[in-house]
Amino acid sequence: DTEVTQTPKHLVMGMTNKKSLKCEQHMGHRAMYWYKQKAKKPPELMFVYSYEKLSINESVPSRFSPECPNSSLLNLHLHALQPEDSALYLCASSHIGLDRGNEQFFGPGTRLTVL
Amino acid sequence: DQQVKQNSPSLSVQEGRISILNCDYTNSMFDYFLWYKKYPAEGPTFLISISSIKDKNEDGRFTVFLNKSAKHLSLHIVPSQPGDSAVYFCAASAPGANNLFFGTGTRLTVIP
Repeated sequence: DTEVTQTPKHLVMGMTNKKSLKCEQHMGHRAMYWYKQKAKKPPELMFVYSYEKLSINESVPSRFSPECPNSSLLNLHLHALQPEDSALYLCASSHIGLDRGNEQFFGPGTRLTVL
Repeated sequence: DQQVKQNSPSLSVQEGRISILNCDYTNSMFDYFLWYKKYPAEGPTFLISISSIKDKNEDGRFTVFLNKSAKHLSLHIVPSQPGDSAVYFCAASAPGANNLFFGTGTRLTVIP
């Protein structure tokens, strides 16, 4: 299984809603990532989990709350978002280790629209 | 502070010809470089990578060249096919670091 899956594919939410994005991989990767991508821009790193522990938080507002319940799952909990948070949210995973290439494998993304 | 740059936002190439996509970086600590292909509304797909101990890596129609002294890498696609039309991102990482630094992307259009 060389796939990263993400649900839902599309999400529309109001500014007062609470929702969650889900990501799953079964490649044995121990690093998982959340990225945000706006149109015509590169993916922008939000969070990195290494061995199920948060290792990087790129100064993301607290209305985004990541969670890594186990080595295969990654969630992103959303609350009180703003319209400018509308974007494609990408999950990725990779191996960890200096002797390995840092190929990150991306899921198809969740297209989020905040009204 | 954009540490990885793709100075050409777009490139058009005739089918069957060579496509050359360029990428420059500023951080001399980067030791691993990757190219990703992205279709609209989809996640990036890993294409090919190269370690800084090499200057060339080839995989089918795709070849990546690395010039460390110039801090420059390029992706060659030959022959180009219409299905190659997408946005191509280069990315770089430093030793021991998990995070990738992405370039701004180049939109390749292969004209049939």
